[in-house]
Amino acid sequence: EAEVAQSPRYKITEKSQAVAFWCDPISGHATLYWYRQILGQGPELLVQFQDESVVDDSQLPKDRFSAERLKGVDSTLKIQPAELGDSAMYLCASRKSSYNEQFFGPGTRLTVL
Amino acid sequence: GIQVEQSPPDLILQEGANSTLRCNFSDSVNNLQWFHQNPWGQLINLFYIPSGTKQNGRLSATTVATERYSLLYISSSQTTDSGVYFCAVEPWDSGYALNFGKGTSLLVTP
Repeated sequence: EAEVAQSPRYKITEKSQAVAFWCDPISGHATLYWYRQILGQGPELLVQFQDESVVDDSQLPKDRFSAERLKGVDSTLKIQPAELGDSAMYLCASRKSSYNEQFFGPGTRLTVL
Repeated sequence: GIQVEQSPPDLILQEGANSTLRCNFSDSVNNLQWFHQNPWGQLINLFYIPSGTKQNGRLSATTVATERYSLLYISSSQTTDSGVYFCAVEPWDSGYALNFGKGTSLLVTP
């Protein structure tokens, strides 16, 4: 069964360092999402792509976060510089189209020291 | 934005018991999904249910879109059912992103 792939699964970094997360959606899924989940809460959207275009990045802290999906397939989320408050689970999801369900990857658990 | 409220926030059951989890939402939605988050953080799809009733083994779900709520039923609970259950909705004007509730944390004891 096709799955959303993410790497790394765990990342420990020091504040002010740069980190990058990678996501490979299910083949054929045009829409890709990055969510952030703080401990004890539900995931919240950071950025949404339709193919290679950004549809919604209104909740992305653009002074330090960036996201790209250059060829409309896999995607990278970067944080530069990382802050203590960025410690969270970063989840990638994809869907084939509207009126279809979203599928989530295993996530990257980030700890900033 | 749309509000998603889940109840109860916490639930402890003995193995074999049944339970009902509720999700209320404040506006019309395009879609609704139920997820189970396991201890490793993986979100597992349970149901895609914008309306109607679905069943999958010991789990079933009902969404009454006109009254803005959804219910998740767990029957004959097992210890492996433990984890956090999330309801997530896609508002009509969201551009298809999901808005999550705070979840129901379920612990099933032997």
